[in-house]
Amino acid sequence: DAKTTQPNSMESNEEEPVHLPCNHSTISGTDYIHWYRQLPSQGPEYVIHGLTSNVNNRMASLAIAEDRKSSTLILHRATLRDAAVYYCILDAGNNRKLIWGLGTSLAVNP
Amino acid sequence: NAGVMQNPRHLVRRRGQEARLRCSPMKGHSHVYWYRQLPEEGLKFMVYLQKENIIDESGMPKERFSAEFPKEGPSILRIQQVVRGDSAAYFCASSLSEGSYEQYFGPGTRLTVT
Repeated sequence: DAKTTQPNSMESNEEEPVHLPCNHSTISGTDYIHWYRQLPSQGPEYVIHGLTSNVNNRMASLAIAEDRKSSTLILHRATLRDAAVYYCILDAGNNRKLIWGLGTSLAVNP
Repeated sequence: NAGVMQNPRHLVRRRGQEARLRCSPMKGHSHVYWYRQLPEEGLKFMVYLQKENIIDESGMPKERFSAEFPKEGPSILRIQQVVRGDSAAYFCASSLSEGSYEQYFGPGTRLTVT
């Protein structure tokens, strides 16, 4: 299973943009890139996913490098509610058996 | 539309007892996944089920653990003869179909084995 590498922790200020990086140098051509987040004491929550093109939704944007070996989750204006652990996950196109790493713990300062 | 429901939210068992964890998927979802999360770790896939079928149980320990998703009723994760190492948060997720890209997670069951 392909692996992802993320920084252990990051910090941001409220209402500023946040760029969360993820390296996946062993990604294969059929692997989708998923992002989930987990707020304290809650179950994970889907954020966004993509394959090759950049993606936008109401929660975030996903920028995927041209060689697909890295991606960046962009929160355009961080709020206190965005403080969570963010997981970057690769999935071989069928969404089963998501392989989770340790994620990035994002702190948002007021 | 209610989300994924899990019960109980907290479960305490003594070593050697059985633990039964229940998961009701979102309405209309027929695919269920179980994950385990140990303290300070990421989630680990355990099993993927469709109604009445186990599709992938490659993450399930070989002994004491079983899962089912009957035609009627919730999915059940059963742990027999629990040990202290089974203490963890167990999350259930559901998706609409095999091709769906989003998994919707429940709030989890926190199992403590004393």
